[in-house]
Amino acid sequence: SQTIHQWPATLVQPVGSPLSLECTVEGTSNPNLYWYRQAAGRGLQLLFYSVGIGQISSEVPQNLSASRPQDRQFILSSKKLLLSDSGFYLCAWSVGGGASGEQYFGPGTRLTVT
Amino acid sequence: AQSVAQPEDQVNVAEGNPLTVKCTYSVSGNPYLFWYVQYPNRGLQFLLKYITGDNLVKGSYGFEAEFNKSQTSFHLKKPSALVSDSALYFCAVRDRYSGGYQKVTFGIGTKLQVIP
Repeated sequence: SQTIHQWPATLVQPVGSPLSLECTVEGTSNPNLYWYRQAAGRGLQLLFYSVGIGQISSEVPQNLSASRPQDRQFILSSKKLLLSDSGFYLCAWSVGGGASGEQYFGPGTRLTVT
Repeated sequence: AQSVAQPEDQVNVAEGNPLTVKCTYSVSGNPYLFWYVQYPNRGLQFLLKYITGDNLVKGSYGFEAEFNKSQTSFHLKKPSALVSDSALYFCAVRDRYSGGYQKVTFGIGTKLQVIP
């Protein structure tokens, strides 16, 4: 069976510090990978998606970046955090290709920028 | 363009009563439709999906959803609510012919409160 891991679970960082959140998927190959941010416990904002190694697409301009160095690894980064970067970050995967596209989510990372 | 509307910010239902969480969608082609549930400080969990076929789809934890093409709706239902069903529910849609990138659009979520 497939599992998705995210770490850390919680993070408190000062403004201006760097960020690295990691997501890994087990039990599948060539997944589509996604980073979302959820603010105020409600709607999801798609930040990045990837259909393969080194292939990253950004949905919104911001000071965040993403990388996919391996097939099942997805990293969210920032060089300098802003207060507005606080939120709940979710990684998700879906079967690549022509599948129906349901996404499976990790447990999330709660980021607080102080 | 595709979109999802969840018209109710919160739904309150008494334990043991049937529940309905509403969702309407808009896509240019034929839809794939999904429901997810989120418990506090957790990731979203996939509940069920509609691809094709029977309009009534059964999913996890006794939930089901009814696809209505004429009304472009995909309401989530459960015959008897449990207190443990209290959570945030998300409806999502994808255009079936969106190609290699499976862009899924999520609704803003509906908070379900089951009252003991």
